[in-house]
Amino acid sequence: DTGVSQDPRHKITKRGQNVTFRCDPISEHNRLYWYRQTLGQGPEFLTYFQNEAQLEKSRLLSDRFSAERPKGSFSTLEIQRTEQGDSAMYLCASSLASGGPETQYFGPGTRLLVL
Amino acid sequence: AQKITQTQPGMFVQEKEAVTLDCTYDTSDQSYGLFWYKQPSSGEMIFLIYQGSYDEQNATEGRYSLNFQKARKSANLVISASQLGDSAMYFCAMREDYSSASKIIFGSGTRLSIRP
Repeated sequence: DTGVSQDPRHKITKRGQNVTFRCDPISEHNRLYWYRQTLGQGPEFLTYFQNEAQLEKSRLLSDRFSAERPKGSFSTLEIQRTEQGDSAMYLCASSLASGGPETQYFGPGTRLLVL
Repeated sequence: AQKITQTQPGMFVQEKEAVTLDCTYDTSDQSYGLFWYKQPSSGEMIFLIYQGSYDEQNATEGRYSLNFQKARKSANLVISASQLGDSAMYFCAMREDYSSASKIIFGSGTRLSIRP
């Protein structure tokens, strides 16, 4: 399977705990994105990387959130001191920036439930 | 500011019929891209079709076509000969091409249910 993969697919945690999600993009893709999707809504942009550089962060990304892409391949999204409002689907996408039309391909997502 | 509006929260369609999902957008940019994604209950966002703002012809991908009316700022998705497997959430989305910020803005989605 050469698509975007995410791990874990589901995560249940208690309020106040830290969680970390991983995303493996399509191998030749140089851009990687994180989105959050709450129930009944479309995905909302959180942040994106071009290679290892984090180029943009949404205002939705509070200080408790941090994302890394250390070698320009896989990425991690960490949420510290989780709150019940963090419960959502976290989606990762990747694309190849080629100067032309660019399509983002999404992974299966990680469903987070904070109790 | 960019905005995507999908006015149909849910639709029911008989199998084998064609269905049109509405999408209007708002942007002040001349260069942008429009997307439709399908999200089954499993959660994965599946890319369906893309239309560039400068494309003169409507995009088509198999049973999917995009009815692009630039002056009206609409980008409706048409699914021909619907199948039971088409039951899912459908999201219209837009990306501005003007800068390195290539995030996608999504609408709130339309839940499509296909009746056998």
